[in-house]
Amino acid sequence: AQKVTQAQTEISVVEKEDVTLDCVYETRDTTYYLFWYKQPPSGELVFLIRRNSFDEQNEISGRYSWNFQKSTSSFNFTITASQVVDSAVYFCALRGNTDKLIFGTGTRLQVFP
Amino acid sequence: DTGVSQNPRHKITKRGQNVTFRCDPISEHNRLYWYRQTLGQGPEFLTYFQNEAQLEKSRLLSDRFSAERPKGSFSTLEIQRTEQGDSAMYLCATAGTFEGELFFGEGSRLTVL
Repeated sequence: AQKVTQAQTEISVVEKEDVTLDCVYETRDTTYYLFWYKQPPSGELVFLIRRNSFDEQNEISGRYSWNFQKSTSSFNFTITASQVVDSAVYFCALRGNTDKLIFGTGTRLQVFP
Repeated sequence: DTGVSQNPRHKITKRGQNVTFRCDPISEHNRLYWYRQTLGQGPEFLTYFQNEAQLEKSRLLSDRFSAERPKGSFSTLEIQRTEQGDSAMYLCATAGTFEGELFFGEGSRLTVL
């Protein structure tokens, strides 16, 4: 069975703080893909990043960075110097050998000025 | 706008009525997905099309739910004899390749009174 766990239901930070959103996944597939999506208050899910299971290099994109560790089945997401516009619900998702994405329950991030 | 388009954006109906949602995909994407999202939860997979073929259906999709994608273009999701438990956001997403990210529409929110 495939499963994504986002244990943090809600996180509140003050602007300019760094914040890490945790994601732990379960799959028996040897090839799989991991994703992060952002869902702002407007509701539309926005793609942030995709990682395949053979690429464990960490990635940085501006203030965003991702840490993929197969040994702990984790794919964590860090926002550096958070801003109010980062306030949203963030979803981690997994796709194995089937075509469907399995989503976690999401982490609501609130960034206060 | 060349993104995924969903209509209607909001639908309020009485229990027992039928409703239909439409999704217009990104034109070059042959993979189309329907998801359902309830408050505080991540999107749950409902069904998936590759071109006009419906390749997978979730057990969440009861007999009252039917989806079509004639000619491999737009798709419709019909719910017959709606129940209050059907109240949710229905999301459509499309992808161009197996490995590719899903592009989501803004969703169709259903409220069953």
